[in-house]
Amino acid sequence: ETGVTQTPRHLVMGMTNKKSLKCEQHLGHNAMYWYKQSAKKPLELMFVYNFKEQTENNSVPSRFSPECPNSSHLFLHLHTLQPEDSALYLCASSQDFLAGGPSEQYFGPGTRLTVT
Amino acid sequence: GQNIDQPTEMTATEGAIVQINCTYQTSGFNGLFWYQQHAGEAPTFLSYNVLDGLEEKGRFSSFLSRSKGYSYLLLKELQMKDSASYLCAGMDSNYQLIWGAGTKLIIKP
Repeated sequence: ETGVTQTPRHLVMGMTNKKSLKCEQHLGHNAMYWYKQSAKKPLELMFVYNFKEQTENNSVPSRFSPECPNSSHLFLHLHTLQPEDSALYLCASSQDFLAGGPSEQYFGPGTRLTVT
Repeated sequence: GQNIDQPTEMTATEGAIVQINCTYQTSGFNGLFWYQQHAGEAPTFLSYNVLDGLEEKGRFSSFLSRSKGYSYLLLKELQMKDSASYLCAGMDSNYQLIWGAGTKLIIKP
């Protein structure tokens, strides 16, 4: 596999369920990101990890819990979500930005999440 | 605050030229990115500008004016496959991307 992969591609869950989204990058990058994309709204940055350390948490509700066990894998654990959390969740990776400066982000195909 | 503005939707004809504008306000500035996103797919990188001027890459060009907080993406010889959303994003002093809501480009035959 190449690039950035995400599983599952589609997920339907009830408000009381617990599920996890998985992201894996095969690009040798050191920074990974979770974004939320809702229709006709800008991409919302949720979490940033650089060298496995969380460097950004944009006031995301605690029902979203990220995990980054190594530079290639990123998880988003979901529990007791609300219907308004239904969206496309995108994972991205890039070269280390703190040491290397600006670089483009490579995105996975996303997980389409529906909360019922 | 930080903000990116771009038109919601544009329509153009196959074979023509279209310019998608973007204005930005960021806390510090480390460059301006353009991404393309086809419906149901991931955004893909198109261009990056950090200095004033025009960067040309095949049929696509991107322009930046830092003094005006302004950029545009120019698409020439439009093809039907160019129908997509085009996302403008400014990089702030923390190297985080501030995204616009995207411009949906519709290409008509």
